[in-house]
Amino acid sequence: DVKVTQSSRYLVKRTGEKVFLECVQDMDHENMFWYRQDPGLGLRLIYFSYDVKMKEKGDIPEGYSVSREKKERFSLILESASTNQTSMYLCASSWTNLNTEAFFGQGTRLTVV
Amino acid sequence: TQLLEQSPQFLSIQEGENLTVYCNSSSVFSSLQWYRQEPGEGPVLLVTVVTGGEVKKLKRLTFQFGDARKDSSLHITAAQPGDTGLYLCAGAERGGSYIPTFGRGTSLIVHP
Repeated sequence: DVKVTQSSRYLVKRTGEKVFLECVQDMDHENMFWYRQDPGLGLRLIYFSYDVKMKEKGDIPEGYSVSREKKERFSLILESASTNQTSMYLCASSWTNLNTEAFFGQGTRLTVV
Repeated sequence: TQLLEQSPQFLSIQEGENLTVYCNSSSVFSSLQWYRQEPGEGPVLLVTVVTGGEVKKLKRLTFQFGDARKDSSLHITAAQPGDTGLYLCAGAERGGSYIPTFGRGTSLIVHP
């Protein structure tokens, strides 16, 4: 079975802190994604990566950065956390094909106070 | 404007009832996926439909891809409380994109 693991289920951080969310997948997928999910807004793409050290902005990249130093690991960084970044963060991975089947981690519920 | 429109947004039914949720777009898709997400968890892939007109069954769930590959439906027969969750459709527009775009989901509650 494909496994995507996010480092934390729940996080509480203070405004202004630098926050790291880690994601690891074990299926040798080329593509990795970070989404945030908010009530009424659905899943919105923050960043994605199609190869090691490659990254592309998604729909809402402001306030975030990413790092992909190894194929299996994709990190999301909140440079200076703000309360409007309180959300559910979902990491996903997939192969590069037109079926776009994505496999998700369990999610990280981040609260910024 | 949402690329994938899901309806209804919310559905609250009794155990044993049937239901259908819809996923519509004006765009043509190479494929569409359906996911189910339980509270506090990540979405889990249920099925992928690829061919226009395709019908796939997963126990009491029936998935259909429209002939023109612009829409899809999910029908649940004799719903059970274990079917409760958020149902999401996703896909990438035909043209080579591999980045899935998600609908906003249908939140289903099945009461015992």
